Amino acid sequence: AQSVTQPDIHITVSEGASLELRCNYSYGATPYLFWYVQSPGQGLQLLLKYFSGDTLVQGIKGFEAEFKRSQSSFNLRKPSVHWSDAAEYFCAVGADNAGNMLTFGGGTRLMVKP
Amino acid sequence: NAGVTQTPKFRILKIGQSMTLQCTQDMNHNYMYWYRQDPGMGLKLIYYSVGAGITDKGEVPNGYNVSRSTTEDFPLRLELAAPSQTSVYFCASSFREDTEAFFGQGTRLTVV
Repeated sequence: AQSVTQPDIHITVSEGASLELRCNYSYGATPYLFWYVQSPGQGLQLLLKYFSGDTLVQGIKGFEAEFKRSQSSFNLRKPSVHWSDAAEYFCAVGADNAGNMLTFGGGTRLMVKP
Repeated sequence: NAGVTQTPKFRILKIGQSMTLQCTQDMNHNYMYWYRQDPGMGLKLIYYSVGAGITDKGEVPNGYNVSRSTTEDFPLRLELAAPSQTSVYFCASSFREDTEAFFGQGTRLTVV
């Protein structure tokens, strides 16, 4: 079965600082990978996705992520964090034709200091 | 364009009561999902459906039931509510299993 690990439960960064959120996955083949963001009291919104091709993918709100097959990682980055980026971030592995459905990591809560 | 709509937004149940969480989508998506979100635990898949008339269990199906009589609707039924079912429930849909999932706003359920 596939799984997703987000090692950092909480991260605090200063506004304007760079950000990297870690995501590691366990999957037998080439995965479909997603990052979602959840603002307080809201549903999940897709930030970006990787299906194939260029391993560096760009998303909304200035986020990007890099797929590294050798490290089974799909880390999310942003060069300069804004206070409005404070939220919970979820990495997910997509479904496959072996019956595995969309699987989420435990989430990383980002706090932004002024 | 409404997307995925969940009702109610909040509900308090007493132990042993039953209720149905409603979910409807207007994007003509084949796949629909129910997740529960507990603090620090991410989202766990309860049930999913790959089309009308087809449902299957996810990771944590015990205590829940679903049906999918139409493409648009995917209700989640709790028959005998237990405190362990206190959680936030999210419904989602996608066109295929490998495409983006769209989420509803969630239902916060408390069982007392």
